[in-house]
Amino acid sequence: AQTVTQSQPEMSVQEAETVTLSCTYDTSESNYYLFWYKQPPSRQMILVIRQEAYKQQNATENRFSVNFQKAAKSFSLKISDSQLGDTAMYFCAFMKEQGAQKLVFGQGTRLTINP
Amino acid sequence: DTAVSQTPKYLVTQMGNDKSIKCEQNLGHDTMYWYKQDSKKFLKIMFSYNNKELIINETVPNRFSPKSPDKAHLNLHINSLELGDSAVYFCASSQDGRWASGDFSTDTQYFGPGTRLTVL
Repeated sequence: AQTVTQSQPEMSVQEAETVTLSCTYDTSESNYYLFWYKQPPSRQMILVIRQEAYKQQNATENRFSVNFQKAAKSFSLKISDSQLGDTAMYFCAFMKEQGAQKLVFGQGTRLTINP
Repeated sequence: DTAVSQTPKYLVTQMGNDKSIKCEQNLGHDTMYWYKQDSKKFLKIMFSYNNKELIINETVPNRFSPKSPDKAHLNLHINSLELGDSAVYFCASSQDGRWASGDFSTDTQYFGPGTRLTVL
C-alpha cells in the first residue's frame, strides 16, 4: 500500500518570501502521478501542480514548482513570491498510473502567509 | 457554470436519520469519487465509479451506499447516521483512458466544494 507523509503540520512565512513544503511517499510502483492540492478556508480543493513520475523534468506552474526526487521518493513544493492568497492547507497526493484509481493523501501542511 | 457541484453544502441532522448528498459533474468525465475529510483534515477515498460501475469500495460501513444513475451523477446515501459520520464529504471526477487490457489510467481529479455533515 502507498503512504504519503508530510512532516510539517504548520508553516508560516512573510509575504513575498519563498517557502518549501515537504512530502515523501512510499510505493513499489514504477509509474505514478504526484499532486499538490490547496485547500483555502473556503474548503474547496484546488489542484496546484501535477508531476508524472516518468518525467525527469520538474513541473512548474507560475510561482509554484516542485522538486521531484524519484529515487528518494520525495516531492516538495516551492512557492515563490508568496502572496496572502496562498494561505491554505496544502496536501500532497499520490496516484498509481494504472488500475483502480484513488488519490492517497498526506496529512496536510497548514501554510500561513503573513503581511 | 460549476464543473463539479454538490448539494447540499451543509447538512445538520440527528443521529439515526438517513440522508443523501448529491454530486453532479458537467466535465464529461467517466469516473467519479467520494472522499471523506475527517476533523483532523485527513482525506480518504470511499468509493469510485467508472461509467456507472463501482470500481473502488474502500472499507466503509455498509450504511454508506453510493448510487450512480448516469456517469454525470454520483450520489451518496447514508443510513442510520452516527456521530462519527460527521465530516466533510467531497465528490471528485476525472477522465479515464482505457487501455487495451481493460485496465485504465486516470487523469487529474477535480473536486466539488464539499458537503459538511454534522450529526447531532
